[in-house]
Amino acid sequence: GAGVSQSPSNKVTEKGKDVELRCDPISGHTALYWYRQRLGQGLEFLIYFQGNSAPDKSGLPSDRFSAERTGESVSTLTIQRTQQEDSAVYLCASSLAGRHTDTQYFGPGTRLTVL
Amino acid sequence: EDQVTQSPEALRLQEGESSSLNCSYTVSGLRGLFWYRQDPGKGPEFLFTLYSAGEEKEKERLKATLTKKESFLHITAPKPEDSATYLCAVQAGANNLFFGTGTRLTVIP
Repeated sequence: GAGVSQSPSNKVTEKGKDVELRCDPISGHTALYWYRQRLGQGLEFLIYFQGNSAPDKSGLPSDRFSAERTGESVSTLTIQRTQQEDSAVYLCASSLAGRHTDTQYFGPGTRLTVL
Repeated sequence: EDQVTQSPEALRLQEGESSSLNCSYTVSGLRGLFWYRQDPGKGPEFLFTLYSAGEEKEKERLKATLTKKESFLHITAPKPEDSATYLCAVQAGANNLFFGTGTRLTVIP
């Protein structure tokens, strides 16, 4: 079946602009995660959704970052007033039910470049 | 504080030269340890999950093992197509994964 998809694959923006990144999880997966991967660094957790609610937002680095999920499906990560340090690959993952025994499957990521 | 350290950062092997990658961790209440493979420009691809010390899992030329403090990913007779970055991640109290920085493996024909 189809895996996790993300769009756009690449996004170049100017400092101060807002951006929206989209994630389509595997059909039927109720848990959805956003991670950030900066060059040469490990993946950093941003936010976790169970259904449409976000019980864990502890990884969001500032109030410029927000995310929502609708219909227990698509999720959008929004970064307002982008800064150069926001440049990274943003990865989305989904799992069946969010249990620790459920494997997280990743999308290909969105490469964000802030000029 | 949860910590995951992978070593070495980079590894170059001749085709057929077996070796091991290390992932040492310090977490409270390990619920699972995960190995992923990541190719350039792509998202991580799931390889293995290990849940308890002594557990081992194998897939083709890869074998993952787990102790109370570390995990090893053994690569037997690697081929050039095994070249990738191998990521280790742990899941402790929260639902998210906590990742190491990876080992970049290059297998030379």
